[in-house]
Formats: sequence, C-alpha cells, structure tokens
Amino acid sequence: EAGVAQSPRYKIIEKRQSVAFWCNPISGHATLYWYQQILGQGPKLLIQFQNNGVVDDSQLPKDRFSAERLKGVDSTLKIQPAKLEDSAVYLCASSRVMSYNEQFFGPGTRLTVL
Amino acid sequence: QQQVKQSPQSLIVQKGGISIINCAYENTAFDYFPWYQQFPGKGPALLIAIRPDVSEKKEGRFTISFNKSAKQFSLHIMDSQPGDSATYFCAAIGNSGNTPLVFGKGTRLSVIA
Repeated sequence: EAGVAQSPRYKIIEKRQSVAFWCNPISGHATLYWYQQILGQGPKLLIQFQNNGVVDDSQLPKDRFSAERLKGVDSTLKIQPAKLEDSAVYLCASSRVMSYNEQFFGPGTRLTVL
Repeated sequence: QQQVKQSPQSLIVQKGGISIINCAYENTAFDYFPWYQQFPGKGPALLIAIRPDVSEKKEGRFTISFNKSAKQFSLHIMDSQPGDSATYFCAAIGNSGNTPLVFGKGTRLSVIA
C-alpha cells in the first residue's frame, strides 16, 4: 500500500510570496488532514477534510491560508502572502474515516520563509 | 493553550537501558492516547496507543502506563536500541474521535552505545 505522498519536499520563499503544497492521500482514505509542525513542537492541525467537505478549519489562519480537496482525493494547501512565522514543516495525513482510525502521515514539506 | 504536556524535552539513554517519557493532560474528554515516533525527514508514525479503561498496554519493547486519576500516561522503551533514536510525541483525542488529535511538544531520544 503506497503511503501519503507530498510535494515539494522543500521550499524556500521570500516573505509576502505565495506557495502551494500538494498531498495525495492513501487510496480509499476519506479523511485528510493538514498539520503545521514548527521546529521543536508537535504537529498542530490546520484543517480536516471528510471527502471533499471541510470538517474542522478552526485553527487555519484564513486571512492567508487556504486549502481545497475538490474531488475528495488530492488536496492543496496554499499560503498567500507568507510570513516569517510560517516557516515550518507542513504535514499531510489521511485515515479511512474519522474517529480513532490511525492517521498515516506523509513525509512533509519543509517551508523556509526568508 | 497546551493541552498535552510532555517531558522531558530530550533524553539520552545507554543501549540496553529503559527510556521513559511522561505526558499529562487536563481535558477529561480525551479518551484515546496514541504515541507517535518520528525520524528526521519523515512524518510521525503510530507506535502504540491506549484507551483509559486499561492501566497498561505492552507491544514488544514498548509499554504505555496510564493513570486515569492523575491524568498522566507514560511510554517505556525497554532494552533501548540505537535504532530507537527518534522524536517521540504523545497525543490525545476525545469525544469518540470527533475532536482533533492534540500532540505534546515531543521528546528527542538518543540511544548511545
């Protein structure tokens, strides 16, 4: 079973630029999550999708962050404009359903904002 | 607000020794407590998990001890090996899984020969 795929793996941008991350979850997984992991901290949930609908985006900074999962499979996370404090690893995870099902994480995209 | 407090921040253990990582929580709605292992450049991977209706769960060299009254739980790694060197995160989820998974800040474990 292929794991969660993410791209790019690394991205360096200047502040105020925009950036997009892509995630392809494990086949058949209905629930998709985006997390932000700042250096030295645990992952923090940004947004959760169930199929193509948003379940929880309470911690997503909506003035600059957006995410979509149009066909209920792949997802993109965008930051526009980026700030220095957005430097982090952005992790995508997926699970078969919500609830206690194990979340499988991708390798993440390391973003550096200069 | 940090909902799950994890300690220590870093840990160095001799090969063959026991590694112990502790976590505490406040939210009584949490009812599922997983531990994740993360290697550099990789995403976290589920290691072992426990529900509060049991006080201990063991899988191989990994054991979770759970104290519901104290709202504390810990991970014990027996016979620690250099390959166990990684960052470990405790986490919690509640309300039948309908609240977000909340992570501790992590413990960087180094097992030295």
